[in-house]
Amino acid sequence: DAGVTQSPTHLIKTRGQHVTLRCSPISGHKSVSWYQQVLGQGPQFIFQYYEKEERGRGNFPDRFSARQFPNYSSELNVNALLLGDSALYLCASSGLSGNTIYFGEGSWLTVV
Amino acid sequence: QKEVEQNSGPLSVPEGAIASLNCTYSDRGSQSFFWYRQYSGKSPELIMFIYSNGDKEDGRFTAQLNKASQYVSLLIRDSQPSDSATYLCAVIGGDYKLSFGAGTTVTVRA
Repeated sequence: DAGVTQSPTHLIKTRGQHVTLRCSPISGHKSVSWYQQVLGQGPQFIFQYYEKEERGRGNFPDRFSARQFPNYSSELNVNALLLGDSALYLCASSGLSGNTIYFGEGSWLTVV
Repeated sequence: QKEVEQNSGPLSVPEGAIASLNCTYSDRGSQSFFWYRQYSGKSPELIMFIYSNGDKEDGRFTAQLNKASQYVSLLIRDSQPSDSATYLCAVIGGDYKLSFGAGTTVTVRA
């Protein structure tokens, strides 16, 4: 079975631009979460979706938004990019029990 | 106070030794506890999760949980050079979000 897949793997954007990151969860998993990890720190929670409903939101500005589609895939959108948004963006997929939470390979975003 | 704190590294151990990693958390309502391994430039990889007090063993890894002390640890027995990585402790509370520590970097010396 495929794991969590994310795209794109690497991208470079200019300040002020918009970016969309995509994630497909493990087959059968209905929950998708997004995390931001900057160098030297642990991942920080951005959003969680379950059955297409937002179930949690971290302490990120409104420039960050997300949604989950009927097939449980998800996308994370970031508007008006800042240099400080440069990070590894991780998507996590979990099953019903929530005790097995797996990450995709991540999307490396560089804002210049 | 940070939600999840890990012992500051880096931690250097000789090959074959036991590496001991510690983590404390602030939310008494925390329900599940995870250890992830992250190699440089890669995403976190789930090693173990634990939700009951006591020990849980999986191969060379043992997770220990003490909810009264709000403490969770990871022991790596017979450490191998391939265990050299950053180890992340993560906790889930009633809000469904994973809260991570900053990680402890482990180096296993051959």
